Amino acid sequence: QKEVEQNSGPLSVPEGAIASLNCTYSDRGSQSFFWYRQYSGKSPELIMFIYSNGDKEDGRFTAQLNKASQYVSLLIRDSQPSDSATYLCAVNRYDEKLTFGTGTRLTIIP
Amino acid sequence: DGGITQSPKYLFRKEGQNVTLSCEQNLNHDAMYWYRQDPGQGLRLIYYSQIVNDFQKGDIAEGYSVSREKKESFPLTVTSAQKNPTAFYLCASSGGFGYGYTFGSGTRLTVV
Repeated sequence: QKEVEQNSGPLSVPEGAIASLNCTYSDRGSQSFFWYRQYSGKSPELIMFIYSNGDKEDGRFTAQLNKASQYVSLLIRDSQPSDSATYLCAVNRYDEKLTFGTGTRLTIIP
Repeated sequence: DGGITQSPKYLFRKEGQNVTLSCEQNLNHDAMYWYRQDPGQGLRLIYYSQIVNDFQKGDIAEGYSVSREKKESFPLTVTSAQKNPTAFYLCASSGGFGYGYTFGSGTRLTVV
């Protein structure tokens, strides 16, 4: 079992709809969770982080964490073509080092 | 502005040649990391350093070497022992547990 798992996609979502990206992790002791966006040919950039169970909202983005189910998700409301990218889920397990998923490729269809 | 600078942006290596990728940060971060990314794949950890003059191997350290003589700098050498070095190399630093990483802009290495 991979430490951090994501559906590789591609996930296609119509413009204006909600995009839902999912991530599961295997280590129940994981404590911090991050979502990075990576445009093709570019480096990842941090868009959201969450530490506690529940939802965290920042503009059009909402991160959701359920530690009992070992599940973290990212919702993107009112999806725009500029949201088309690969989204990487990352987890802090027991030190500063992040463990990354392989990413989900999201395409927003105009 | 604080950040991480990687250079060069593109690098071409001949067979049997060693090349060094530069990574410099002015964020005052203790921890620094090197990752490799192949097309359509996730990030694989090569080496990391949590303090000056100390570093640890990641998951794919064979054929690579690093040094950490200064807090700001963490260069990566791709040696001739690395048989398939063509990839996108990313350097990152961390401000502590729970802060995530800041990434540099990456170096794209191609074997010619």
